[in-house]
This record gives sequence, structure tokens and C-alpha cells, in this order.
Amino acid sequence: DTEVTQTPKHLVMGMTNKKSLKCEQHMGHRAMYWYKQKAKKPPELMFVYSYEKLSINESVPSRFSPECPNSSLLNLHLHALQPEDSALYLCASSPGPSRGETQYFGPGTRLLVL
Amino acid sequence: AQKITQTQPGMFVQEKEAVTLDCTYDTSDPSYGLFWYKQPSSGEMIFLIYQGSYDQQNATEGRYSLNFQKARKSANLVISASQLGDSAMYFCALVTGANSKLTFGKGITLSVRP
Repeated sequence: DTEVTQTPKHLVMGMTNKKSLKCEQHMGHRAMYWYKQKAKKPPELMFVYSYEKLSINESVPSRFSPECPNSSLLNLHLHALQPEDSALYLCASSPGPSRGETQYFGPGTRLLVL
Repeated sequence: AQKITQTQPGMFVQEKEAVTLDCTYDTSDPSYGLFWYKQPSSGEMIFLIYQGSYDQQNATEGRYSLNFQKARKSANLVISASQLGDSAMYFCALVTGANSKLTFGKGITLSVRP
């Protein structure tokens, strides 16, 4: 089973709202990732968690706040977003954080910021 | 620094025929890996195939095979017996160094005609 689940599938929020995206995997993977993808562009890495610790932050604005409560769960807390943050947010996991470990992606959350 | 190049703007193939999607890369690291992912319009990134730089044989997974030419720094994806469900965006991605950070190409759109 190579399933990564993400909720919600769609989210519309205003610029003053606070919301959270959730990602879950039960494959025993120890690395989890958040990506942002604009239409017809490749995914851009935002954060990497390795063994539940933040290992990579790609200079993402502080209005995005990741959290890894346990090895199966990854959250992305959103606050005071801008319209340009509207995108598809993809979560992924891999068995470990090493090169060559395949990342398995979830279906994504389509976010619209009004 | 590493770089992935996918220059084909869009590809069309007749159902049941084979198609090759091009990918070239550049890295100075002798240890690297190359991934291909498929992204249908639904948004999920689906892992297709992986090739490590030291792998002796070209990778194959069902109808997918990777034409890996190390000296030319190319890793083209070959899809045999195309199906209508193969219509999607295809991304090539490079990973180098000790971590699992992927560098994606800009993607290629494949349309399969009945």
C-alpha cells in the first residue's frame, strides 16, 4: 500500500482566515514533504521532515507553518495568506530521507485564497 | 548545481503506439538518481520509474522503461502500447547528494489519441 491521504481536497479561504492542511501516511515512512504547485508548473519543495524533525525549509514565508505531530501525520498551518498563495499543495512521504528513496505523493489540496 | 531539462512542449501519440519523452540532466555529483512521475488532471503525482546512476541495467516497470544514456546525460521515458489513460503531464526529476530533495523538470504534456 503506497497511499498518502490529504484533507481537505479543496479549500477556499480569505486573507484573514486561519486554516490547516492535513497529510497522513501509514507506510512507516520516516520522511514527509510539503510541495506547492502552480498550474502547469513543476512542484516546488517547501518543507522536509525527517524522523519528525524539520530538516529542510526552502525559505518559505512564515504565514506557512508546518507541524509533524507524529511519524504518520503532517500538517501545514495557514495564516494571513495572499491570493498568490493559491495553488495545489502536495504532500509526499518516503521510507527515509536519503537519495534514491522514492517519494509517494498524496492527491493534493487545491487552495484558493480570496 | 543540478539541472533537469524537458524541452518537448507537448506530445501526441496514437493509442497502442510507443512514445518517448525526453529528459536531460546536468550534475557534477557522480551519485544521483532519476525519477519519472505522471500527473493526471486530478493532480496526484504518480511514481512511475527510478534509475540510479550506478545501476547497470536500464530500469523497467511494466509498460514503462527508461532509456538511460549516462554519457549523454539523458534519461528518456519510453511508454509502450499507449493507453488513453496515459494522457497526463510527465515530470522527470533528479536527486543528488545525501538527501532526497528532488529537482523537477518543467514537465511534458502527453495526449493519447484514440
